[in-house]
Amino acid sequence: DAGITQSPRHKVTETGTPVTLRCHQTENHRYMYWYRQDPGHGLRLIHYSYGVKDTDKGEVSDGYSVSRSKTEDFLLTLESATSSQTSVYFCAIRKAGARTGELFFGEGSRLTVL
Amino acid sequence: AQKITQTQPGMFVQEKEAVTLDCTYDTSDQSYGLFWYKQPSSGEMIFLIYQGSYDEQNATEGRYSLNFQKARKSANLVISASQLGDSAMYFCAMREGSGNNDMRFGAGTRLTVKP
Repeated sequence: DAGITQSPRHKVTETGTPVTLRCHQTENHRYMYWYRQDPGHGLRLIHYSYGVKDTDKGEVSDGYSVSRSKTEDFLLTLESATSSQTSVYFCAIRKAGARTGELFFGEGSRLTVL
Repeated sequence: AQKITQTQPGMFVQEKEAVTLDCTYDTSDQSYGLFWYKQPSSGEMIFLIYQGSYDEQNATEGRYSLNFQKARKSANLVISASQLGDSAMYFCAMREGSGNNDMRFGAGTRLTVKP
């Protein structure tokens, strides 16, 4: 257990509305990630962060923004949600210095955009 | 471009038998890491096993082993003595180089263990 909490766990919203997903960690890890999971695509990286106010784009970043104003929180924002953003969103952390560098995932947030 | 390929959308195995889940990857880096994750129906992502590109031995973790064939760029997961609780989605993933390079995932294989 890497102390990762995602909120909300489930959300239904309408096209065009803003949505923010929160990832909270309790162990002060530097590296945090947002992935989305869709059938047939596995998990795809949206954005990641390597420290407070240090973020970068991943493979599928269009339509998403992130913020990290403190170590423990990494926020993912959909400024104007679209139906194509219906997905399960996973937050993950990586423990710096670990030889294997595996990611530890939160429980996921299921977002439905109608 | 897709860098991780899992060609088996679904697999069935009889309880107590062994099963191999295929994974091939594409990279020009000499240094990379390969990972397998399990996702049961409850949805959480569980790390199973890791293989580094310079590791000389195939990785093993309990009933999981990784059949790493570097020249063929394959990293198949072998589950021995399958149990009903092994029924899940399995994802192969790769991180190229080191540092903060992102981890790329395959599309996954759904394994069903039959009693």
